[in-house]
Amino acid sequence: DGGITQSPKYLFRKEGQNVTLSCEQNLNHDAMYWYRQDPGQGLRLIYYSQIVNDFQKGDIAEGYSVSREKKESFPLTVTSAQKNPTAFYLCAAFGIAAEAFFGQGTRLTVV
Amino acid sequence: GENVEQHPSTLSVQEGDSAVIKCTYSDSASNYFPWYKQELGKGPQLIIDIRSNVGEKKDQRIAVTLNKTAKHFSLHITETQPEDSAVYFCAASKGTSGTYKYIFGTGTRLKVLA
Repeated sequence: DGGITQSPKYLFRKEGQNVTLSCEQNLNHDAMYWYRQDPGQGLRLIYYSQIVNDFQKGDIAEGYSVSREKKESFPLTVTSAQKNPTAFYLCAAFGIAAEAFFGQGTRLTVV
Repeated sequence: GENVEQHPSTLSVQEGDSAVIKCTYSDSASNYFPWYKQELGKGPQLIIDIRSNVGEKKDQRIAVTLNKTAKHFSLHITETQPEDSAVYFCAASKGTSGTYKYIFGTGTRLKVLA
């Protein structure tokens, strides 16, 4: 897992509920990214942060929010505005040579 | 828009045979091409990468080749073993300073038959 810890591994969300996925890294990398993975599709970028206290929307940011208060942490909140949240969520930190280190993922299911 | 096409989507080989997965990218400014292996229920792991100033790179049984003119790159796995069974993703990135926006392929499910 390259020093990236995601929790929980499985998460269940009720309709209209916000949930937060945790991502922590001990690699001392500045850049952290969140991706969504659906069956048969490549990874799609939700949000990314290049430095503490700064983050940018990715390609599918609607219904998601993030914060980057510490270098080690980049939590993702899936809000009730995200109408199809069931997916596998992956967090990554990027080294200075552009290589990505991924966490083990969180599988979110709407119940 | 920018995209990466990956083929085949599934690949079955006999143990000991070679496997080849191909990706084609659209953005000629791409300069970094990693390959990731993802086992069931886990996050992707980087297995090999290549940069645009190199045509081929090898690491034991795994090699990657890059053809910048044709804008495609390939993963080669020789002497396949059952533990090579997984989903493999390619990606292309421009790697501009401070931004690492990867464009991922849709993945290849490799099955190595014992």
